[in-house]
Amino acid sequence: EDQVTQSPEALRLQEGESSSLNCSYTVSGLRGLFWYRQDPGKGPEFLFTLYSAGEEKEKERLKATLTKKESFLHITAPKPEDSATYLCAVQALYNFNKFYFGSGTKLNVKP
Amino acid sequence: DGGITQSPKYLFRKEGQNVTLSCEQNLNHDAMYWYRQDPGQGLRLIYYSQIVNDFQKGDIAEGYSVSREKKESFPLTVTSAQKNPTAFYLCASSGGPLGGKNIQYFGAGTRLSVL
Repeated sequence: EDQVTQSPEALRLQEGESSSLNCSYTVSGLRGLFWYRQDPGKGPEFLFTLYSAGEEKEKERLKATLTKKESFLHITAPKPEDSATYLCAVQALYNFNKFYFGSGTKLNVKP
Repeated sequence: DGGITQSPKYLFRKEGQNVTLSCEQNLNHDAMYWYRQDPGQGLRLIYYSQIVNDFQKGDIAEGYSVSREKKESFPLTVTSAQKNPTAFYLCASSGGPLGGKNIQYFGAGTRLSVL
């Protein structure tokens, strides 16, 4: 069964304390993996897309990596404004319109 | 500014009532989607449309209906047959299935509650 699992469900960090969020997936052929940021009561905001194992993307304090079974979102020296829920989604190769979403990791960065 | 506009932001439904959520995009995207988000769960696909006048059921289509008469618009109707409609509804669009990138961009969402 195709699915996406994110861990941990929630993460509390002190400002400046680096960490990683995990997205593990099982899908019959990966077309792409997507990371989104979602603030409370808002729609998801696109961050990164990764297409093949070994690929990495960076944006400010965030870095996303991809292997054949999972993706990591590394957060370096986070700030309180990085607090949000981070969603991972995978797109199946066999169905362009099928995106499987994880339930997200809620990140709270304390000053 | 290009983007996806959902309205209203908040919506309340009475027993036995149908309600319609609006979604408009000016990104010139071919594909549009409706998702439902419940606390602690991932986004679940309700309906999607790859092209005008065509749409497909997603994983949880029962109790919902859609139309795609214009490229820019993809309204979702929550019918009285949907017994548990309270949720956060998200509309998304993407450039379409062809080509190398198929990034979904989302609207700000509509929160639907039952009176």
